Amino acid sequence: DAKTTQPPSMDCAEGRAANLPCNHSTISGNEYVYWYRQIHSQGPQYIIHGLKNNETNEMASLIITEDRKSSTLILPHATLRDTAVYYCIVRQERGGYNKLIFGAGTRLAVHP
Amino acid sequence: KAGVTQTPRYLIKTRGQQVTLSCSPISGHRSVSWYQQTPGQGLQFLFEYFSETQRNKGNFPGRFSGRQFSNSRSEMNVSTLELGDSALYLCASSSPTGVVSGELFFGEGSRLTVL
Repeated sequence: DAKTTQPPSMDCAEGRAANLPCNHSTISGNEYVYWYRQIHSQGPQYIIHGLKNNETNEMASLIITEDRKSSTLILPHATLRDTAVYYCIVRQERGGYNKLIFGAGTRLAVHP
Repeated sequence: KAGVTQTPRYLIKTRGQQVTLSCSPISGHRSVSWYQQTPGQGLQFLFEYFSETQRNKGNFPGRFSGRQFSNSRSEMNVSTLELGDSALYLCASSSPTGVVSGELFFGEGSRLTVL
């Protein structure tokens, strides 16, 4: 599975959009980009995933560049409850395995 | 719909002891994965079970083992505990149909402290 690079920390004002970048320059054609977040002392929570098209759900939007070497998770109106560590994961849909390789993630702090 | 339930939530053991952690997946989910989270190593994959069979294993010593029962509930066991085993152990379930998916549902974890 390809390696991802994320900034260690970011700040965002409440009510503003939070844009979390992720580089995955070695991604291959059959690898998906997944985003999870972990709020302090809780288990990780699935947010969204995509292959090459932009995706949107009730939690966030995922923008993947045309060359697929990077992506951005967008929280459109960040709230204090969005303060968490956000993990970008690249994963192949193969082999029958539900295995995720987590990196260090980005610690997002949403402030009033 | 009930989420993933892990028990116990907190426990304290001493070096050399063994521990068993339990995980009840979301109803209908057949895949159960286990992860270890420590401040130094982050989240690391331990193993995954599907239909009572281990189908993937991470790079952990043989002291770490698991099993899955016919009702999809899973247990993991750590024998001969070491100080470095202190961690948050997370269980995740997925795949009501058995289809591989990266969308995992995590429990709140069992926090193990080894003294």
